[in-house]
Amino acid sequence: EAGVAQSPRYKIIEKRQSVAFWCNPISGHATLYWYQQILGQGPKLLIQFQNNGVVDDSQLPKDRFSAERLKGVDSTLKIQPAKLEDSAVYLCASGGDPNTEAFFGQGTRLTVV
Amino acid sequence: AQSVTQLGSHVSVSEGALVLLRCNYSSSVPPYLFWYVQYPNQGLQLLLKYTSAATLVKGINGFEAEFKKSETSFHLTKPSAHMSDAAEYFCAVSEAGNEKLTFGTGTRLTIIP
Repeated sequence: EAGVAQSPRYKIIEKRQSVAFWCNPISGHATLYWYQQILGQGPKLLIQFQNNGVVDDSQLPKDRFSAERLKGVDSTLKIQPAKLEDSAVYLCASGGDPNTEAFFGQGTRLTVV
Repeated sequence: AQSVTQLGSHVSVSEGALVLLRCNYSSSVPPYLFWYVQYPNQGLQLLLKYTSAATLVKGINGFEAEFKKSETSFHLTKPSAHMSDAAEYFCAVSEAGNEKLTFGTGTRLTIIP
């Protein structure tokens, strides 16, 4: 079974530029999550999708972050414009059963300079 | 609201010695509890999970954890440390039936040869 795929693995941008990350979840998984992991901290949930609907985006900075999950499969997370404090690893995870664990991708490491 | 506290951001043990990583949780509902491991530049891998069945949970790579409701703890142990155990370990909590995770700040485990 293929795991959660994310791209790119690394990205370096200047502040005020825009950036997008892509996630392909495990086939058949209805739930998709984006987490932000700042260096030295645990991952923090940004947004949770169930199929193509948003379940929880209370921690998403909506003035600059946006996410979509068209057709309930792949998802993109966008930051526009980026700030220095957005430097982090962005992790995508998917889950198929609410009573089991979520599976994580390898993440995208974003550096804003 | 749920939260997790990991005591000790850095733990060092000698190869062959006991590994003990501490995790305390706070939850207003019966929790599901998880331990994840993260190797450098990798995503999160599930070590083990507690979902209200047996209080002593065995995971991969020889790790186990015991759920103690009276102490609100879910400490991770391994009888004999191996060099390959060097990594970052995260404790996380979720509500039953929801995969959304709240993570602790992590514990970096170093193994001394």
